[in-house]
Amino acid sequence: QKEVEQNSGPLSVPEGAIASLNCTYSDRGSQSFFWYRQYSGKSPELIMFIYSNGDKEDGRFTAQLNKASQYVSLLIRDSQPSDSATYLCAVPISSGSARQLTFGSGTQLTVLP
Amino acid sequence: EPEVTQTPSHQVTQMGQEVILRCVPISNHLYFYWYRQILGQKVEFLVSFYNNEISEKSEIFDDQFSVERPDGSNFTLKIRSTKLEDSAMYFCASSIAGTAYEQYFGPGTRLTVT
Repeated sequence: QKEVEQNSGPLSVPEGAIASLNCTYSDRGSQSFFWYRQYSGKSPELIMFIYSNGDKEDGRFTAQLNKASQYVSLLIRDSQPSDSATYLCAVPISSGSARQLTFGSGTQLTVLP
Repeated sequence: EPEVTQTPSHQVTQMGQEVILRCVPISNHLYFYWYRQILGQKVEFLVSFYNNEISEKSEIFDDQFSVERPDGSNFTLKIRSTKLEDSAMYFCASSIAGTAYEQYFGPGTRLTVT
């Protein structure tokens, strides 16, 4: 069973701080990693993806991948109250021509004004 | 910006009834997916669809479920005889290519089985 684990939180940070969200995965063969943001009652929204070891930056978001440690993280700089949501880590389980995503249980982030 | 759309936003049905959930994927996408999320639980994969056939399906996707692309734009999920435990949010997603992996989700249909 391929697993994706996240620290479930909840995580609270003050406005302007850096929020750090972590995810580990069990499948050593995984090649790509996704972060989705899910507001309460809404659908997952893709915010970052990373394929290579190292860091990938997009605006206030940085994804960090360490395949040797099977660890992927998401940093949110200058956190805003609008960032308050559940952040889902997702990893594809490969087979055939399409990819099913396995999701973690999510980390609930609250940014305090 | 193109987006995945789903109808209805909320469906209430009685146990044993058939329901059809509808999705319009992003127009140039080739891979389509259904996921579900029971309240308070993880998002779970149900099925993927490519080239007019199922590519992968999970253990959840049993004989009560079926998918169809009846025309060039719609993608449907049918549950033949709903059970109480089918109550969940159902999300449709699409991606431009299987190897690109980035899947974009629709707003979801909340299914309530009474």
